[in-house]
Amino acid sequence: EDQVTQSPEALRLQEGESSSLNCSYTVSGLRGLFWYRQDPGKGPEFLFTLYSAGEEKEKERLKATLTKKESFLHITAPKPEDSATYLCAVPLRSGSARQLTFGSGTQLTVLP
Amino acid sequence: NAGVTQTPKFQVLKTGQSMTLQCAQDMNHNSMYWYRQDPGMGLRLIYYSASEGTTDKGEVPNGYNVSRLNKREFSLRLESAAPSQTSVYFCASSALAGTENSPLHFGNGTRLTVT
Repeated sequence: EDQVTQSPEALRLQEGESSSLNCSYTVSGLRGLFWYRQDPGKGPEFLFTLYSAGEEKEKERLKATLTKKESFLHITAPKPEDSATYLCAVPLRSGSARQLTFGSGTQLTVLP
Repeated sequence: NAGVTQTPKFQVLKTGQSMTLQCAQDMNHNSMYWYRQDPGMGLRLIYYSASEGTTDKGEVPNGYNVSRLNKREFSLRLESAAPSQTSVYFCASSALAGTENSPLHFGNGTRLTVT
């Protein structure tokens, strides 16, 4: 069964303490892996798409990497404004459109 | 540029009542989606519309109906609300359907409670 699993469920970091979030997937024929950021009371905001193993993308303090079984979101020297829930998702082709299957997210708290 | 706008932001219904959640996008996107988000379960697709004039079921369509009113608007209707439909509902749009290089843009959600 195709699925997406994120770990840990919650992560508390001190400001400046680097760490990584994990997204593991079991999907045959991966057609991209998406990372989103979600702030409380808001909708998810797109961060990255990764397509092939070995690919990396960066945005400010965030770097996303992809292997054949998982993706990591590395957060370098985080700041309190990086606190949010981070979601990963993979597309499952169905009918005429892509259906994204989302993980349940990692809630990141960065303490000042 | 508002992006994806959802109304209402909050709603409380009694079991058996009906309501329609409204969604509009101003990005000239072809595809629109309705998701629900529940604690510990992630976002789950209810219905989507790949293009104007088409709709299709997602993972959890039971108890819902949709209407793609025009290219901009996609509504979600609960005909007879049940407590299990208490959730946060998100509308999203994307430029293209069926391609991966077309990220979803989400609205800020409707928080629905069914008592």
